[in-house]
Amino acid sequence: QKEVEQDPGPLSVPEGAIVSLNCTYSNSAFQYFMWYRQYSRKGPELLMYTYSSGNKEDGRFTAQVDKSSKYISLFIRDSQPSDSATYLCAMSAGNQFYFGTGTSLTVIP
Amino acid sequence: GAVVSQHPSWVICKSGTSVKIECRSLDFQATTMFWYRQFPKQSLMLMATSNEGSKATYEQGVEKDKFLINHASLTLSTLTVTSAHPEDSSFYICSARRDLNSPLHFGNGTRLTVT
Repeated sequence: QKEVEQDPGPLSVPEGAIVSLNCTYSNSAFQYFMWYRQYSRKGPELLMYTYSSGNKEDGRFTAQVDKSSKYISLFIRDSQPSDSATYLCAMSAGNQFYFGTGTSLTVIP
Repeated sequence: GAVVSQHPSWVICKSGTSVKIECRSLDFQATTMFWYRQFPKQSLMLMATSNEGSKATYEQGVEKDKFLINHASLTLSTLTVTSAHPEDSSFYICSARRDLNSPLHFGNGTRLTVT
């Protein structure tokens, strides 16, 4: 079993839709949870960084962590064509980072 | 926000030559830097972890004599691909973190093509 599971998609939504991206994990030692956005031929860009269970909001983005279910989500409200990218979830324990395989998202104008 | 600069963004070299890639944390001191390799439509593959002033820790299967990593200061790490071959062609990405409570911040990657 992989440490982190992420649906690779691809996911295609119309502009303005709410997007839900999810990851599950198996290691209860994970302490920090991150979401990155990666455009083609670019490095990943940090979107959200959370520690505890619950919700964290930043503009159109909401990150949700449920440690009891070992499940994290990223919601994108009012999605825009510029949100089209690959989204990577990541988790860490100490200096060990584990990444999902990424979900490819296309927002259609 | 934390900025990590990676240079060059792309490089083409001939088989048998060496290529150096630089990674700098511009506005924070990075206790640890990481080097990743990414194949098309795949996730990040960790190559090595380096702490300033220490030898890098390489992942299983990564040749330390081929991929030389130097972490000379708290803001600079370099990856040198020695005697490059076409199979080394890939997208190499560095990342850095301030401390154990901080997330990773990535550079914009270097696309290496070995002809």
